Amino acid sequence: EPEVTQTPSHQVTQMGQEVILRCVPISNHLYFYWYRQILGQKVEFLVSFYNNEISEKSEIFDDQFSVERPDGSNFTLKIRSTKLEDSAMYFCASSEVMGDRAYTFGSGTRLTVV
Amino acid sequence: QKEVEQNSGPLSVPEGAIASLNCTYSDRGSQSFFWYRQYSGKSPELIMFIYSNGDKEDGRFTAQLNKASQYVSLLIRDSQPSDSATYLCAVHTGNQFYFGTGTSLTVIP
Repeated sequence: EPEVTQTPSHQVTQMGQEVILRCVPISNHLYFYWYRQILGQKVEFLVSFYNNEISEKSEIFDDQFSVERPDGSNFTLKIRSTKLEDSAMYFCASSEVMGDRAYTFGSGTRLTVV
Repeated sequence: QKEVEQNSGPLSVPEGAIASLNCTYSDRGSQSFFWYRQYSGKSPELIMFIYSNGDKEDGRFTAQLNKASQYVSLLIRDSQPSDSATYLCAVHTGNQFYFGTGTSLTVIP
């Protein structure tokens, strides 16, 4: 079964550093998403991406965050100048179509900011 | 603000019993509703989705939707210890999911 692949599985970074989280969506999917889940809290939407541009973003997704599809397969989330409160699980997801269809979530990257 | 509310539990049921998980949502315009299962430290995995009022069955799982009451539920029949997990209710509006905080289910052998 096709999978969304995320790397690394765990990233530890010092406060103030930049991190890049990587995702390889399912190959025929056109829509890509990032969600995050702070420990013990709900899964929260960050951003959706289609046709090489952001289609929707949440209030969480401020200037500290950016997304990119640098080539035909990878989809990245960059967090500049990380803060302690950025520590969370970050999930990438992809879908074949937009709208009310279920996504396929990746296995997640656990980001720990120290 | 679009809210999805779930009883956080924990909910404990004996093996073989029916587990009933409930969810309410605030956006009356929401059209599609999903149940995900999440094991600790893992990503959400889809169990079921439902779009229309009424019941939808898939194996041991039944999703129930009542749009007038803005209520969606998940029944798990013949609960197994492997069903022990956190169950996330998600409502799809626009191009994003709104998740509840999840209900922790423990099935006792």
